[in-house]
Amino acid sequence: RKEVEQDPGPFNVPEGATVAFNCTYSNSASQSFFWYRQDCRKEPKLLMSVYSSGNEDGRFTAQLNRASQYISLLIRDSKLSDSATYLCVVTPEGYKLSFGAGTTVTVRA
Amino acid sequence: DAGVTQSPTHLIKTRGQHVTLRCSPISGHKSVSWYQQVLGQGPQFIFQYYEKEERGRGNFPDRFSARQFPNYSSELNVNALLLGDSALYLCASSLTPDTYNEQFFGPGTRLTVL
Repeated sequence: RKEVEQDPGPFNVPEGATVAFNCTYSNSASQSFFWYRQDCRKEPKLLMSVYSSGNEDGRFTAQLNRASQYISLLIRDSKLSDSATYLCVVTPEGYKLSFGAGTTVTVRA
Repeated sequence: DAGVTQSPTHLIKTRGQHVTLRCSPISGHKSVSWYQQVLGQGPQFIFQYYEKEERGRGNFPDRFSARQFPNYSSELNVNALLLGDSALYLCASSLTPDTYNEQFFGPGTRLTVL
């Protein structure tokens, strides 16, 4: 079983729409959780950390459910610039980041 | 301030050859990690180095090795290249190995093995 599994999408949404997607992780000992964003043929960049209480950063909201071992990301009022691959990341062994395969989001005008 | 830099940006090798990839971390960062990203997949952890010591190793064969220098720069070496080694190799730096410190990724080295 993969450490992190994500719906690959693609999610194709119009500008202004809300889009949400999840990932699940297998190691219950994971301590830290993140969403990274990766543009085509570029390096991943941290979008936001995910906390147990849930957290929001502008139009982005992340939730963590430890009991069910899933993490979600919701994007409100989608912009064209939100088109990217979103990588779910957990830390099953402290020092290393374990990435999912990514969820592709395309926002159309 | 300069971000993480990697060289070369692109590389083409043939099966059986050896390759060395280089990474310079952000100034002040002492931890460097290496990841392999195959097309269509997320990055996979290869190594982490901190203060010139290997702190962690992913599930990669012994053909993969790395080291960190006194200035905290790092090299990733891959011997006896296989077609399956074709990937984007990413270097990430952070202040310390702890995951609460954000890891900043370099632009990567795109390796093609023919």
